[in-house]
Amino acid sequence: DAGITQSPRHKVTETGTPVTLRCHQTENHRYMYWYRQDPGHGLRLIHYSYGVKDTDKGEVSDGYSVSRSKTEDFLLTLESATSSQTSVYFCAISDGSGRALYNEQFFGPGTRLTVL
Amino acid sequence: RKEVEQDPGPFNVPEGATVAFNCTYSNSASQSFFWYRQDCRKEPKLLMSVYSSGNEDGRFTAQLNRASQYISLLIRDSKLSDSATYLCVVNGFQKLVFGTGTRLLVSP
Repeated sequence: DAGITQSPRHKVTETGTPVTLRCHQTENHRYMYWYRQDPGHGLRLIHYSYGVKDTDKGEVSDGYSVSRSKTEDFLLTLESATSSQTSVYFCAISDGSGRALYNEQFFGPGTRLTVL
Repeated sequence: RKEVEQDPGPFNVPEGATVAFNCTYSNSASQSFFWYRQDCRKEPKLLMSVYSSGNEDGRFTAQLNRASQYISLLIRDSKLSDSATYLCVVNGFQKLVFGTGTRLLVSP
């Protein structure tokens, strides 16, 4: 299995509080992604990174920000959590070299976030 | 129209059966395709990549029909451990588009 960890694995928070989720990889992969998964929607891309300090928005980026100061860490921040952000959040990585066109991605174990 | 569409199922099959899932995609420029497997409350795991007209890995066969823009996954000799949700995934460039998944239940 790819070396990807996420923390925390579970979190319950209240509306309006800031929340930061961490993704850590030991594969030295260039690309990192944050997705959320909700019933009926499948996995949706929030933000992704194509290198240290290089990030871009996905299809559901409103209310989220990211940072990547090191190759191995990709942080997702909810500045002011809302109940609509209750979801399961997955981090993914890909090496993006050689077979970049094919872009196989490997996922972390997920974080279950509940916003009350 | 959704970018990637799958029959949500569930498909209920007995052990040993052969089952096939189809997936359609809307972007004719898509270059590569994948099937992921997701167990309940777990992360998606790559099952197969489909790079050209199709490929086979043991009991699993994936096929791609570019003209009709669909991908299929065939599972032969189903095992209880095959029970999971199967996600069809289509690649654009550095981004993946996920279907909502087809649930498979294999019973004894």
